Amino acid sequence: EAGVAQSPRYKIIEKRQSVAFWCNPISGHATLYWYQQILGQGPKLLIQFQNNGVVDDSQLPKDRFSAERLKGVDSTLKIQPAKLEDSAVYLCASRGLGPTYEQYFGPGTRLTVT
Amino acid sequence: AQTVTQSQPEMSVQEAETVTLSCTYDTSESNYYLFWYKQPPSRQMILVIRQEAYKQQNATENRFSVNFQKAAKSFSLKISDSQLGDTAMYFCALNNAGNMLTFGGGTRLMVKP
Repeated sequence: EAGVAQSPRYKIIEKRQSVAFWCNPISGHATLYWYQQILGQGPKLLIQFQNNGVVDDSQLPKDRFSAERLKGVDSTLKIQPAKLEDSAVYLCASRGLGPTYEQYFGPGTRLTVT
Repeated sequence: AQTVTQSQPEMSVQEAETVTLSCTYDTSESNYYLFWYKQPPSRQMILVIRQEAYKQQNATENRFSVNFQKAAKSFSLKISDSQLGDTAMYFCALNNAGNMLTFGGGTRLMVKP
């Protein structure tokens, strides 16, 4: 089966600009996650979707970050305006039904804010 | 709140030898899952092994095995017969009933020829 797809793989922007990331989860996976991974650290959950509804967005900086998952499949994460500290890899993951709770990760988008 | 701690930022091992990566965690849940994920330099996160908290038997996947000590809240990963392809960042992660993963800070493992 195809894995989690993300685009773009790399993005360089200047501070105060806006950027958007796209994620396509594994077919049939109802749960989708966005993580922020700063260099040298473990991933930190930003937002969790169940189908097209938000389950948890408590760690999402809502003044500049937004995310949506229209139709319960693809998702986009947007940053506007970007700050230098937003430089990180943004990982998307999805999880299907079942008791194992395993999440499957995409390759990530490396964002550099200059 | 749940936490995951990996106390070894970097480790190295000679090819074909055995290495153990440490992880401790804290949670108030009684039912949870623990994972070790591998992140090679290409950055694709891959599941290495999982452990269900209610199972006493330690999980094993080929050369990878865990030592799960529930009372001590410890979950270490043992890699036997280390290979060059094992070079990567390794993350310990805890999943509670809310389906949220909490990651540790990671251990960078270098396998030397």
